[in-house]
Amino acid sequence: GENVEQHPSTLSVQEGDSAVIKCTYSDSASNYFPWYKQELGKRPQLIIDIRSNVGEKKDQRIAVTLNKTAKHFSLHITETQPEDSAVYFCAAFFYNFNKFYFGSGTKLNVKP
Amino acid sequence: ETGVTQSPTHLIKTRGQQVTLRCSSQSGHNTVSWYQQALGQGPQFIFQYYREEENGRGNFPPRFSGLQFPNYSSELNVNALELDDSALYLCASSFGTDSPYEQYFGPGTRLTVT
Repeated sequence: GENVEQHPSTLSVQEGDSAVIKCTYSDSASNYFPWYKQELGKRPQLIIDIRSNVGEKKDQRIAVTLNKTAKHFSLHITETQPEDSAVYFCAAFFYNFNKFYFGSGTKLNVKP
Repeated sequence: ETGVTQSPTHLIKTRGQQVTLRCSSQSGHNTVSWYQQALGQGPQFIFQYYREEENGRGNFPPRFSGLQFPNYSSELNVNALELDDSALYLCASSFGTDSPYEQYFGPGTRLTVT
């Protein structure tokens, strides 16, 4: 069935290290892939997104890559800081179903 | 530009009761989507409203219904509440539906069913 799988479910890194979160999706017609950061008790916040006509997008310490052939996309955070600690969700817009599917989330812990 | 707002913040209901949750979309946005987020899970799509019409629905039973008003604010109604309906309900607003669109979430309503 249609879904988005996200790995890992938890990720612990030392401050200054890089963190990578990966997602795969099932609908080959998906054309938009946002990433959200959700701090405890707060709303999901859009941090970066990528569309299917682009392979990579970068915004300061955050980057997203997309491999349409393999149907996976990844979030890369460099020079991590304690304030990056949160739950990160990937999502994919399933064009054939006209709706978003979300991954199950990755809890990132950046240790000072 | 005002952000997405939701009310109430928290709600406690008894099984079998009905509940109405409200969402005001971000200024300039005409589309509202509703999501259910269970503890430790990603948001699950309930349905979307565009120009006062339902425009897509997830795998939720008919006792989940909604409305959108001319000012693009929206309501989510849930009838015959069940214990499993306990969750954070998020709305997200965006502009248009014809192409992939950026969604911005409200702070959510935490619903507890006892």
